[in-house]
Amino acid sequence: DAGVTQSPTHLIKTRGQQVTLRCSPISGHKSVSWYQQVLGQGPQFIFQYYEKEERGRGNFPDRFSARQFPNYSSELNVNALLLGDSALYLCASSFQANYGYTFGSGTRLTVV
Amino acid sequence: AQTVTQSQPEMSVQEAETVTLSCTYDTSESDYYLFWYKQPPSRQMILVIRQEAYKQQNATENRFSVNFQKAAKSFSLKISDSQLGDAAMYFCAYRSLPYNNNDMRFGAGTRLTVKP
Repeated sequence: DAGVTQSPTHLIKTRGQQVTLRCSPISGHKSVSWYQQVLGQGPQFIFQYYEKEERGRGNFPDRFSARQFPNYSSELNVNALLLGDSALYLCASSFQANYGYTFGSGTRLTVV
Repeated sequence: AQTVTQSQPEMSVQEAETVTLSCTYDTSESDYYLFWYKQPPSRQMILVIRQEAYKQQNATENRFSVNFQKAAKSFSLKISDSQLGDAAMYFCAYRSLPYNNNDMRFGAGTRLTVKP
């Protein structure tokens, strides 16, 4: 079975640009969440989507947005990139809350 | 808001020995879930073990077990018979029940080194 897949694996962008990260959850998983992991820290919650509706949002500026599609895949968009947005962006899917998340391998975003 | 604290930035263990990683959390909720995740250099977060707060029995998964002390809000991970492949960052995580804001909160992590 395919796990959570994320694309691209690495990305280099310039300050002020926009970026779109993609995530495909495990088949049957309807919940997708996004996390930002800055080097040396634990992941920080950005968004959670369930059945195509936003269910939760972390403490991130409006430059961050996301959506979930009918096939439950998801995109994370970040506008007006700042150097501080450089991080590993993790996508995770879940069947039920008590099962915990299954994570993808992440997208390493570098803003220069 | 819930917070998760891992007070050991780094830990080291000899191969085949036992090591315990500490985690404490702060919450006003009575029901929740706790998890330990492992993140090797490959970056992928791997679920090691989970615990439902309403269960008094400590969870066990092969060489991995937890010591869940609900009143003390403590959730430590014990790794027995440590193997070289156990070397990784370990994150403790808290998750509310589905009808709350269902995000998962992570600690800062503990880097585990396994010496041959």
